[in-house]
Amino acid sequence: DAGVIQSPRHEVTEMGQEVTLRCKPISGHDYLFWYRQTMMRGLELLIYFNNNVPIDDSGMPEDRFSAKMPNASFSTLKIQPSEPRDSAVYFCASSLHRGLLHEQFFGPGTRLTVL
Amino acid sequence: AQTVTQSQPEMSVQEAETVTLSCTYDTSESDYYLFWYKQPPSRQMILVIRQEAYKQQNATENRFSVNFQKAAKSFSLKISDSQLGDAAMYFCAFEGQGAQKLVFGQGTRLTINP
Repeated sequence: DAGVIQSPRHEVTEMGQEVTLRCKPISGHDYLFWYRQTMMRGLELLIYFNNNVPIDDSGMPEDRFSAKMPNASFSTLKIQPSEPRDSAVYFCASSLHRGLLHEQFFGPGTRLTVL
Repeated sequence: AQTVTQSQPEMSVQEAETVTLSCTYDTSESDYYLFWYKQPPSRQMILVIRQEAYKQQNATENRFSVNFQKAAKSFSLKISDSQLGDAAMYFCAFEGQGAQKLVFGQGTRLTINP
């Protein structure tokens, strides 16, 4: 099993540019989560999907952030325009909620630096 | 809203010794799940141990065990026979019944002294 795959692993961009982060969940998982990790705010949930449908986007910081899940094997998180305060590590995680089993499997993260 | 508090930003322990990391949480729910995740320098988040609130028995995974005190809303992690590879950030996390989303504590950085 390849696990959750994220790309790119590192992204450096300039303020004002569009940034797209990508995630491939574990095959068969029905939930997908996007988290952001910063020193100041720790790990925060941005948005999550169930069966490709966004369920809770209350953590999305502002309209500059958008996320899509066009199919069960792919999701994107887009920031447009990017700002220096968006610099963080962005994690994608997936899970299969079957009975009492609850475990989120995390990808390796994308370290985003906005100059 | 649920909150998770880890009051120890940093902890250190001698190799082969035992260390306990603290976690408290706040919720009005009766059914929920609690987790400890490990984040080594590679930054990969790894599940260490899981506890279902309806179970009174404390979860154990090899050298890792928890002390779950539901009334006190406390969920501490004990690492026995600490190894150098245990050095990492440890995050306590809460998931409400039916919520499917994790609320994390701020983390505890654990250092293992050889």
